Amino acid sequence: NAGVTQTPKFQVLKTGQSMTLQCAQDMNHNSMYWYRQDPGMGLRLIYYSASEGTTDKGEVPNGYNVSRLNKREFSLRLESAAPSQTSVYFCASGEGQQIYGYTFGSGTRLTVV
Amino acid sequence: SQQGEEDPQALSIQEGENATMNCSYKTSINNLQWYRQNSGRGLVHLILIRSNEREKHSGRLRVTLDTSKKSSSLLITASRAADTASYFCATDEAGRRALTFGSGTRLQVQP
Repeated sequence: NAGVTQTPKFQVLKTGQSMTLQCAQDMNHNSMYWYRQDPGMGLRLIYYSASEGTTDKGEVPNGYNVSRLNKREFSLRLESAAPSQTSVYFCASGEGQQIYGYTFGSGTRLTVV
Repeated sequence: SQQGEEDPQALSIQEGENATMNCSYKTSINNLQWYRQNSGRGLVHLILIRSNEREKHSGRLRVTLDTSKKSSSLLITASRAADTASYFCATDEAGRRALTFGSGTRLQVQP
């Protein structure tokens, strides 16, 4: 099925460890996004990529880096994980100007101990 | 900061009843969207209403938008147990390049 694929689905890290969350879309969308979801907080934007080759900070970028590898793939990297980064991470894709809505992946549940 | 704030935070109704959720926002928008999230899953786009529209329908969903009050409502008619989920509004704000999501309403439909 067409859509957005995220890996892994679950991950436990120790404080200070690093990891990369992978995201790939086959919708041929130009824009891709990383959000985190915490209880009672809704979704907060970490980084986004309006088009291949560009990335921009969102609301909560500290502690994260991203790479837009090509049109399909947008990865999120935690260089030195902290307990405050325990969250559910969602990748999404969409056409520019948010006209048609986003397609979301199923999420990565990350726990940092 | 959260742009959209949903009200109520949680709602429990019986199957067959209507469910109404509200969303308030603070700045000028190009459009407002509603998403559903089933437990443990990603968000699914339900409906989009543009800033120059006042009402929109899609199946059992009815969305209204009042830009003068900076508010929107989502009505689900004749609810079903399968409608049990969290519902989020998201705003496309003028000058921003990504949607801003609210904190959501948890809807429980009792069979």
